[in-house]
Amino acid sequence: DADVTQTPRNRITKTGKRIMLECSQTKGHDRMYWYRQDPGLGLRLIYYSFDVKDINKGEISDGYSVSRQAQAKFSLSLESAIPNQTALYFCATSDELPNEQFFGPGTRLTVL
Amino acid sequence: DAKTTQPTSMDCAEGRAANLPCNHSTISGNEYVYWYRQIHSQGPQYIIHGLKNNETNEMASLIITEDRKSSTLILPHATLRDTAVYYCIVPSTDSWGKLQFGAGTQVVVTP
Repeated sequence: DADVTQTPRNRITKTGKRIMLECSQTKGHDRMYWYRQDPGLGLRLIYYSFDVKDINKGEISDGYSVSRQAQAKFSLSLESAIPNQTALYFCATSDELPNEQFFGPGTRLTVL
Repeated sequence: DAKTTQPTSMDCAEGRAANLPCNHSTISGNEYVYWYRQIHSQGPQYIIHGLKNNETNEMASLIITEDRKSSTLILPHATLRDTAVYYCIVPSTDSWGKLQFGAGTQVVVTP
């Protein structure tokens, strides 16, 4: 079984809809991250959490929110999706070595 | 993060060594060099990291110059499955975990 799972893997939605992307991990890591990747570009950090009670904004947090429901679960929400949020979204985890991150398979989100 | 510069793309023959360069001339004395790779549309995969000394693991070797202004990731015997985008990252010590991925180097391994 995969250590970091993301659901859904693919999602098509319409402008203005609320969307939640979920991430679960079985690695027992405290730290979790959300990134987005646009075609042909590198990843950009949206939010990160170093433990259940800790939430931090990343480089591009506007239009997104997150929830850390448990050590193993970190959800990303788009309150009102817009077309320029169409992207590939990755969740990642790390232990006490935060720069060694383990990534999930990604969620491809299309906003029409 | 220290700025890194990598070639946009490079080709490598299967079975040969792939040498991927990275320039990081503004690196600070206590900043590490990390390498990740991303196979098409999959999540990035950590490869290796180093500070000063050369490092080797089951995936690759990392050679860092003595002045630490550049490094080379070496895939000793490239296979078709090594075709990916390779990212060289130098995270700043006051932003642990906040990795900044640039455009990377697209490596194509050919038969």
